[in-house]
Amino acid sequence: QKEVEQDPGPLSVPEGAIVSLNCTYSNSAFQYFMWYRQYSRKGPELLMYTYSSGNKEDGRFTAQVDKSSKYISLFIRDSQPSDSATYLCAMSVNTGTASKLTFGTGTRLQVTL
Amino acid sequence: NAGVMQNPRHLVRRRGQEARLRCSPMKGHSHVYWYRQLPEEGLKFMVYLQKENIIDESGMPKERFSAEFPKEGPSILRIQQVVRGDSAAYFCASSHDRNTYNEQFFGPGTRLTVL
Repeated sequence: QKEVEQDPGPLSVPEGAIVSLNCTYSNSAFQYFMWYRQYSRKGPELLMYTYSSGNKEDGRFTAQVDKSSKYISLFIRDSQPSDSATYLCAMSVNTGTASKLTFGTGTRLQVTL
Repeated sequence: NAGVMQNPRHLVRRRGQEARLRCSPMKGHSHVYWYRQLPEEGLKFMVYLQKENIIDESGMPKERFSAEFPKEGPSILRIQQVVRGDSAAYFCASSHDRNTYNEQFFGPGTRLTVL
């Protein structure tokens, strides 16, 4: 079983729709949670990061963490064609210092006109 | 402030040759991480380094792969005697000493093709 599971998609939505992207994980020691956006043949770009449970909002993006269910989500409101990319969830344990990230496989999102 | 830089962006090697991938972290960052991405897969951690030290190499293959981050200059990921299975995108990330949420910033990657 993978430590982090993510539906690869592709997910196709019309412009303006609300998008929900999700990951589940098995390691209860994970405490830092991140979402990255990766355009084709580019490096991952950090979108959101959260610590432990709760919600965090930044513009059209909302990140949610439910540690009791080991489930994290990224919501994109008013989706735009420029949001078309692969979205990767990532997480790490709290070692008190820096540490490696464990990634999901990524969900490919296509926002159509 | 320049982001993480990697070079070369594309590298073609024949089986048995050596590949050297370079990474310059963001200014002020002293932590460097290397990840590998195979087609249709997520990023897999390989190694984490601070200046002159390897902190975690739990994702590094035991043979043919090595990494360094010298006091001066970029971090280097070296792959000796490359095989076709080494073909992948290799990403470097860096983080600040005082980052709060372990946020890491990625470079554009080096795409290695082994013929």
